[in-house]
Amino acid sequence: AQTVTQSQPEMSVQEAETVTLSCTYDTSESDYYLFWYKQPPSRQMILVIRQEAYKQQNATENRFSVNFQKAAKSFSLKISDSQLGDAAMYFCAYRTRNAGNMLTFGGGTRLMVKP
Amino acid sequence: GAGVSQSPSNKVTEKGKDVELRCDPISGHTALYWYRQSLGQGLEFLIYFQGNSAPDKSGLPSDRFSAERTGGSVSTLTIQRTQQEDSAVYLCASSLVVQKRYEQYFGPGTRLTVT
Repeated sequence: AQTVTQSQPEMSVQEAETVTLSCTYDTSESDYYLFWYKQPPSRQMILVIRQEAYKQQNATENRFSVNFQKAAKSFSLKISDSQLGDAAMYFCAYRTRNAGNMLTFGGGTRLMVKP
Repeated sequence: GAGVSQSPSNKVTEKGKDVELRCDPISGHTALYWYRQSLGQGLEFLIYFQGNSAPDKSGLPSDRFSAERTGGSVSTLTIQRTQQEDSAVYLCASSLVVQKRYEQYFGPGTRLTVT
């Protein structure tokens, strides 16, 4: 079974600064997807960024980028130019490549942004 | 178009009562998932429906939990004889399996409190 671990229960960052959230996972598969989801107080899970394991290039979405280290099974999220609206719970998630498989989530990191 | 909707938004029930939680997926999405998020925790997979196939019930924590999906659309998660440990946010997600990346779109969840 796959497991996802987020070792930072809470992180804080000054507005306009950069912060990196850590995620490690364990799997015996070679092809899979990794995701970062954001959950604000509204509870709505919002997809921030995805990474396909067969792609060596790290995914980027505007101020969000990942550092995907497949051999180390590490998938960190970097948020640049942090904004107050970035404050939320962030969840790392894993999914096998097969259609329809469920997401396996880490325990989450609460990000606080200081003005 | 409309996103995934869930009702009720909040539900308070007495221990031992049965509850039904509803999920309306995005129109045309063939896959539907239920997850549970206990306080301060990540999301835990409960059950997955895909078209007319038999559902994957491997995540249901006990036989008090069941789910149906009628007509390939709306789904109802039923918890019988609720216990205090069932208190959590129940999240529903749907995806269009024919999409290459099978992104899951989440609803706002139902917060269940068992007193």
